[in-house]
Order: sequence, then C-alpha cells, then structure tokens
Amino acid sequence: NAGVTQTPKFQVLKTGQSMTLQCAQDMNHEYMSWYRQDPGMGLRLIHYSVGAGITDQGEVPNGYNVSRSTTEDFPLRLLSAAPSQTSVYFCASSYSRGAYTFGSGTRLTVV
Amino acid sequence: GQQLNQSPQSMFIQEGEDVSMNCTSSSIFNTWLWYKQEPGEGPVLLIALYKAGELTSNGRLTAQFGITRKDSFLNISASIPSDVGIYFCAGQAAGGSEKLVFGKGTKLTVNP
Repeated sequence: NAGVTQTPKFQVLKTGQSMTLQCAQDMNHEYMSWYRQDPGMGLRLIHYSVGAGITDQGEVPNGYNVSRSTTEDFPLRLLSAAPSQTSVYFCASSYSRGAYTFGSGTRLTVV
Repeated sequence: GQQLNQSPQSMFIQEGEDVSMNCTSSSIFNTWLWYKQEPGEGPVLLIALYKAGELTSNGRLTAQFGITRKDSFLNISASIPSDVGIYFCAGQAAGGSEKLVFGKGTKLTVNP
C-alpha cells in the first residue's frame, strides 16, 4: 500500500505559469482534500471531494481548480501562479469522518 | 468559516514532564481529531474522537471530546525526545459537512 502519493515533491514556477499538482491514493477512500500550509497559519482547506464527480470549495479556493474523475485521483491545478501561492501543499484522503491520511507534501515556490 | 483556537502556540518542556494542549471553537463540532507533524512530513493522525465526553488514549497520549462539543484537549504523559513536533487539532462541524478544519498548531520542544 502506497497510501497517498503526491508529485512532484518540489517545484519552482514563474509568476503566470500553470501547473498541476498530482495526488493519488490506493485505499479506495471516498473523501479527498487539498490543504496548503504556511508558517504560523496551520493547514487551510483549498478544495475537497466526497466522491468521484463531486467537489466543493474550502476556505481558500481562489486561484485553484480541482476535478475528481476517479476515486483514486484528485489533481490540483494552478491556472496562473502567483507569489502568494508559494506554500507547502498537502493532499489527504479518508474513508470517513475526518480520519484523513496525508501525503508527504509538495513544496511550491513561485518567483 | 469555522475557526479553531489552539493553545499554547509553543511549549518548551523537560523530558519526563506531562504536556497539555487544547482547542476551542465558536461552533459545535461532530468530530475532533489530533494530528502530529514532524519536519518535512505530512500530519499523522494520533487520536480521533466522535462523541461528546469521549476520552480516548493512545499509549501516553490521551484526548477528550468536550461536553459542550466546542472544545477538545490532548495530554501527553512522561514526554520523551521523540514527542517533538507540531500538534494540530482538527474538527468537522455539525451539519454534515465533510470539511476538516485545523487549528494553527502547538509546537512542542522536549529538552533531554
């Protein structure tokens, strides 16, 4: 069992570039979420999904898009990267009621 | 949106001491969870609480779901150096939302 796999682990983008952060889980979990972590801010919810084809916004959704075409995958898209999106991004999945398993994160720098 | 107030922000303790941290919310929660994060890693679930008043232990860790459903605490007994890390509370608000919101964390340092 690989758990929650995030790729890439590190990324540097120029302002205005687009990219997709990949997230895959092999635990057949229905619930998946994306968080960003900034110093002193804890983890803030970007988008989440309760199943394939169903997504919803979290606390800080602006500048990010998601889709959930399969149970396993939940990619996060940055359409036009901004320096304010420099952060560590975590994907997580759960079978129920909040007991999320987290990936090891993607460290993104936008210059 | 829901906000969780976690305190203290940081703690510096001696090995062997007990630790207590707590989390409060202005709204009612159905689920409280406690996570630990070590440098360079994602958070790892320590304890999950699903009922008001519930008291659950995991080794030297004990957590409780407050009776009012607006708070939770985590205790660590007889701390050891590997307890170092950032501890986060997290919760799901009443109303059926699957959103899991986090506190800002308590950074624990244990001096040998």
